[in-house]
Amino acid sequence: QQPVQSPQAVILREGEDAVINCSSSKALYSVHWYRQKHGEAPVFLMILLKGGEQKGHEKISASFNEKKQQSSLYLTASQLSYSGTYFCGGSGGSNYKLTFGKGTLLTVNP
Amino acid sequence: KAGVTQTPRYLIKTRGQQVTLSCSPISGHRSVSWYQQTPGQGLQFLFEYFSETQRNKGNFPGRFSGRQFSNSRSEMNVSTLELGDSALYLCASSWTSGGADTQYFGPGTRLLVL
Repeated sequence: QQPVQSPQAVILREGEDAVINCSSSKALYSVHWYRQKHGEAPVFLMILLKGGEQKGHEKISASFNEKKQQSSLYLTASQLSYSGTYFCGGSGGSNYKLTFGKGTLLTVNP
Repeated sequence: KAGVTQTPRYLIKTRGQQVTLSCSPISGHRSVSWYQQTPGQGLQFLFEYFSETQRNKGNFPGRFSGRQFSNSRSEMNVSTLELGDSALYLCASSWTSGGADTQYFGPGTRLLVL
């Protein structure tokens, strides 16, 4: 079963913040986040492997609540380059398949 | 280091035909996963190969098959094409299993079935 992402789409102005949520009905071993720009391949952002883990990279960070099987991606002080579709992927184990959600379209306007 | 490559990049076929897509992973990567991407459905997992063995399989009909060679290169085959098979097919490679490791995606093969 696919993870469920929310919202499906969000429009921001430069400098605004956004949160993208990802939830699973099954127990998760890992959560992956990718960003895909139009006409390009998805690009890796981060993996969270432990419950309660939080990772960050500059102004993009994520958390993983193992008990709730939920992950959130935080984008702060958004830039135009953040525009794209964000996918979360979940896996039930180290040798399990990675199943992606349907994506969240993020548009950052000047 | 070269990235993941996929050939061909674009393909037009007619219903009933079959097609073979190729994926060359990053050197040293042993896992190759295949995904189908269509508007509104996101990335649908097809299958994953690791060291020439199919490790995981998604919920696609048997018309979709794949294999991996000893050099980790992978091929995906779709037989008896249907209109609904029109999609972008992405492959991704990783050092270990795709569920636990960073996946590096190729540019994809865009298949159009007429």
